[in-house]
Amino acid sequence: NAGVTQTPKFRVLKTGQSMTLLCAQDMNHEYMYWYRQDPGMGLRLIHYSVGEGTTAKGEVPDGYNVSRLKKQNFLLGLESAAPSQTSVYFCASKEIGTTYTGELFFGEGSRLTVL
Amino acid sequence: TQLLEQSPQFLSIQEGENLTVYCNSSSVFSSLQWYRQEPGEGPVLLVTVVTGGEVKKLKRLTFQFGDARKDSSLHITAAQPGDTGLYLCAVGSGAGSYQLTFGKGTKLSVIP
Repeated sequence: NAGVTQTPKFRVLKTGQSMTLLCAQDMNHEYMYWYRQDPGMGLRLIHYSVGEGTTAKGEVPDGYNVSRLKKQNFLLGLESAAPSQTSVYFCASKEIGTTYTGELFFGEGSRLTVL
Repeated sequence: TQLLEQSPQFLSIQEGENLTVYCNSSSVFSSLQWYRQEPGEGPVLLVTVVTGGEVKKLKRLTFQFGDARKDSSLHITAAQPGDTGLYLCAVGSGAGSYQLTFGKGTKLSVIP
């Protein structure tokens, strides 16, 4: 069972470079999320999507863009990476109809280092 | 202001000991979730509590939702090394509550 798959799992960037993190889920979930996790800061929501073609800002959206062109995929882009974006990024998904009481299914994380 | 305050931030105990970790807020919630995250992995849902005063048990883990639905606790009986991990509480927030906000977590180490 694949569940939520994130690509790549590790990446090192130089300041100013761009990259895209890909999240794919095979559970037909409507809701998808991107979080970042930093030591002592917990999980913070970057952007989320409540359906194909829709996206919304979370708590810390600056410096990131997202797209949800297909229901199963949620892309997180960094146009000009900064050292402050060094973090572990987690994608998650949730089925429709259960709002906040539904279970979030997480990927294994993508560790990004910006030099 | 942090929506959810978790305490303690770190906890290191010997195998076999009991422990309780807390998730507190000044806001009232309709439901609250607990997740456990092991090193190198994503969080995994342990339980959802929805009713004030509710108690749920998952083997050696006991979860309680406060009567006023502002706080929750997680009690582990006879901790084992396999309980080691980061314990996170989470609640719905924002318009439509599609957003889930997490506490900063309690990092538990159980020493054999």
